[in-house]
Amino acid sequence: GEDVEQSLFLSVREGDSSVINCTYTDSSSTYLYWYKQEPGAGLQLLTYIFSNMDMKQDQRLTVLLNKKDKHLSLRIADTQTGDSAIYFCAETAKPTGTASKLTFGTGTRLQVTL
Amino acid sequence: DTGVSQDPRHKITKRGQNVTFRCDPISEHNRLYWYRQTLGQGPEFLTYFQNEAQLEKSRLLSDRFSAERPKGSFSTLEIQRTEQGDSAMYLCASSIPEGQGLQWTGNTIYFGEGSWLTVV
Repeated sequence: GEDVEQSLFLSVREGDSSVINCTYTDSSSTYLYWYKQEPGAGLQLLTYIFSNMDMKQDQRLTVLLNKKDKHLSLRIADTQTGDSAIYFCAETAKPTGTASKLTFGTGTRLQVTL
Repeated sequence: DTGVSQDPRHKITKRGQNVTFRCDPISEHNRLYWYRQTLGQGPEFLTYFQNEAQLEKSRLLSDRFSAERPKGSFSTLEIQRTEQGDSAMYLCASSIPEGQGLQWTGNTIYFGEGSWLTVV
């Protein structure tokens, strides 16, 4: 079955770059997503990447995908205190039926210190 | 606000009571999902609708849980005879129509703020 793994915690200083890593097992994963969750809130879609891409950049966010190793990373440049949150990696595969549900990792808590 | 809306945001109930959560998806989103998230975990898929049809249910959705989307717009998730293990955040999400088969282009799934359930 599908499995998505992330490290639990990352601490960075304000202004530095953050790199959050994720590994997944489903070789049929087609889309991979990064969501941000602030305390007590829902999930905010940050970005996603299609499996035929190896990089996607969106302002301060850079997503790198190594499909061979099934490794996904999210780089946040110039990390700010407002970036402190839990970041979830998620994947979905091309549906064999009509569903395209997401499988989430356990989340990485990013702490930004002054 | 045109995002996914959930109500109530917080619910405290006694064990054995029934609770119902409502979700209003982004307009024109034909797909609607329910997920459950417990503390320290990522969200887990519960069920999924395309328009009014409930097309997939997770084994996590016991027979005490029922979800409906009667007119293909808003959805309700009811939990009967609540247990302490039902305490979690229930997240609703919706997505845009997507192509099918060889034209499948994936979809972006947008989440609501969640409904927190505490069973005491």
